[in-house]
Amino acid sequence: KAGVTQTPRYLIKTRGQQVTLSCSPISGHRSVSWYQQTPGQGLQFLFEYFSETQRNKGNFPGRFSGRQFSNSRSEMNVSTLELGDSALYLCASSWDRGAGGYTFGSGTRLTVV
Amino acid sequence: AQRVTQPEKLLSVFKGAPVELKCNYSYSGSPELFWYVQYSRQRLQLLLRHISRESIKGFTADLNKGETSFHLKKPFAQEEDSAMYYCALAKGGADGLTFGKGTHLIIQP
Repeated sequence: KAGVTQTPRYLIKTRGQQVTLSCSPISGHRSVSWYQQTPGQGLQFLFEYFSETQRNKGNFPGRFSGRQFSNSRSEMNVSTLELGDSALYLCASSWDRGAGGYTFGSGTRLTVV
Repeated sequence: AQRVTQPEKLLSVFKGAPVELKCNYSYSGSPELFWYVQYSRQRLQLLLRHISRESIKGFTADLNKGETSFHLKKPFAQEEDSAMYYCALAKGGADGLTFGKGTHLIIQP
C-alpha cells in the first residue's frame, strides 16, 4: 500500500510569507503528527491530529498551525515566515494514536530566504 | 515534561564488533519506547518497539524501567548498519513522539 505522502518536496519562500504543507497518511490511518527537523534542534514535535481534532501541540509559536480533514489528510501552515523556520518538516501517520508506531513521510524541505 | 537523551552523537565501531546505542528517558508515566533509523537519503523508519520485544536486522532493545533506559544492541555490526539512530518516546495515549538528538553510527570495514 502507498506510504505517507508529503507535498511539495521542496519549497523556497521569502521572510514574511506564509506556507502550507500537505500530508496524506497511509490508508486507514487516522492519526497524523508533524515534526520539524533541523541540524541544531533535531526532531521536534509540532502537533498531532486524530479524527480531525488536535490532540497535542508542541512548544512552537502560534504562527504554526494545522488541521486534519475527514479523509485524515492533514495540512500545516506557517505564517509570517522567519529565517529560522528553514527546516525539514516531517509528517507521520498511525492507525490509532501511535499504536504500532508511526510511519514517516519523506518530508518537505522548506527554505526561507 | 518527558525527555529522551542519547548521550553519543557519534559512535564508530568496526565490522563484526558489538554495538550498543544508549538511550535514557524521563517520564513519570508508562511510556512507549521506539527506535527509529534513518539511512542515508532515506526516510525515517521504525526499527523497534519495546512492546513487541522483537529482533529486527539483528537489533534488540530492552526497556529497563528501573534505570529508565532503552539501549539498542547488536552483537555483530555490519557495514549496512551505518545510519542515524533515534530513540523516541510516546506517552500513554500517544500524543506524538519525543525524540532524542540521535546517534550517528558508523561501521568501519
